[in-house]
Amino acid sequence: EVQLVESGGGLVQPGGSLRLSCAASGFTFTDHNMNWVRQAPGKGLEWVGRIKNKVNSYTIEYVASVKGRFTISRDDSKNSVYLQMNSLKTEDTAVYYCAREVSGSLDFRGQGTLVTVSS
Amino acid sequence: DVVMTQTPLSSPVTLGQPASISCRSSQSLVHSNGNTYLSWLQQRPGQPPRLLIYKISNRFSGVPDRFSGSGAGTDFTLQISRVEAEDVGVYYCMQATQFPFTFGPGTKVDIK
Repeated sequence: EVQLVESGGGLVQPGGSLRLSCAASGFTFTDHNMNWVRQAPGKGLEWVGRIKNKVNSYTIEYVASVKGRFTISRDDSKNSVYLQMNSLKTEDTAVYYCAREVSGSLDFRGQGTLVTVSS
Repeated sequence: DVVMTQTPLSSPVTLGQPASISCRSSQSLVHSNGNTYLSWLQQRPGQPPRLLIYKISNRFSGVPDRFSGSGAGTDFTLQISRVEAEDVGVYYCMQATQFPFTFGPGTKVDIK
C-alpha cells in the first residue's frame, strides 16, 4: 500500500525555521518526482515545489513566494523527502502535504502536517 | 502563472443525479511533448486531496467509473454520472503543464 507520512510541523515564530519530513513506502521511491503542496486554513491548495528523481538530475522548482526561503531535498536511501523552511511568515501557516508525481499529476496519501507561524 | 478558474464554485446536487464542474485555464495546457497535464482532485471533509483524473480523462487507480473527465486546450469538465453521498467534498482542477503548478479555487459539492 502506498503511504506518505508527513511530520515535523508545529508552532513557530515569524522569522523562524522548521524542517518537514515525508516518509514514503509501498512504491519505488526512486521512480518518482516528489512535490510539496500546502493548504492554508479554510483555503484552497497551493503548490510549493518539486524535486525530481535521480534520473532527472534531482532538478528542483519552487513557487515564487517561497523561493530563497524554502529548500526541498530528498534522501533516496531513506525513501524520504524534506522541506526546510526558513524566514517563515504568518502567511506560511498551512497544512503541508507531500505528494508523489504520477502521470503528470499528484498522488496524495498522507494527512499532512500543520505549520503555524505566529508570535 | 497559469490561472485556473472553476464554475460553479458551489454545486448542490440531488443523490443519484448527475453533476458537472467546469475548469478553464488562462493558457493552453498542451505541453511541448503533446500531453495535456490537467487533473481533477477530490477533497472530502477533513481528508487530504485524492487524485481522481489525470491527463484530462484518465481515471486514477480505484476511482469509480461514475467520474469522467473531458476537454482540450483551455476548457475542461469533470462529470459525475450519478452523485453518491460519499462524493460530497471540494473538487479541484490542477495544471502541471507549466511551472508553477496551479490549482483552481475549488468547487464545493454537497447534497440538496
